[in-house]
Amino acid sequence: DQQVKQNSPSLSVQEGRISILNCDYTNSMFDYFLWYKKYPAEGPTFLISISSIKDKNEDGRFTVFLNKSAKHLSLHIVPSQPGDSAVYFCAASGLRSNYQLIWGAGTKLIIKP
Amino acid sequence: ETGVTQSPTHLIKTRGQQVTLRCSSQSGHNTVSWYQQALGQGPQFIFQYYREEENGRGNFPPRFSGLQFPNYSSELNVNALELDDSALYLCASSLGGIGGMNEQFFGPGTRLTVL
Repeated sequence: DQQVKQNSPSLSVQEGRISILNCDYTNSMFDYFLWYKKYPAEGPTFLISISSIKDKNEDGRFTVFLNKSAKHLSLHIVPSQPGDSAVYFCAASGLRSNYQLIWGAGTKLIIKP
Repeated sequence: ETGVTQSPTHLIKTRGQQVTLRCSSQSGHNTVSWYQQALGQGPQFIFQYYREEENGRGNFPPRFSGLQFPNYSSELNVNALELDDSALYLCASSLGGIGGMNEQFFGPGTRLTVL
């Protein structure tokens, strides 16, 4: 039972363009969503989060959009930079998971020069 | 400020053996969570310790056990190793005992291979 799904294993984007990473979830009880970024040989690092009472949260080049009716969230990176090349994980949390993080499988983002 | 550290970096064991993985929390953090990340998958929550007490557990059998020490460092013990236990084991520290609501800081992980 995969409650958080990232259906694109990889994504390739030209430097300077917009990167859009997608995430779908099945459990409507989730009320907090996070994006983590992971470089090889390092642990995941927190990037940005959004509460279910919002539909958008922005932090510099990173914006997360939440569509609760579609149970879908997306991470936009504008403009994409070479250092953004990494694996991006979507994670969700809520009362039903006892506030523990439920993670997607990740999307590998490759920024081409 | 010292980040989260884990030891060892890599480990090779055989089926049926036991293993202990270690984690030092970020300074000031009183909560440690352990995750298993199989190849091509996202991390899966094993359990969390808050002030030396288990504070939540994922869908893992009892042969996965843990400890948290007074200095908030932690151990993950796995008994009777199986081939499917081969994975990257991640430790994350945070402040406060409420799961994912508090930002978690991850160590680089221990890569366990079971032969």
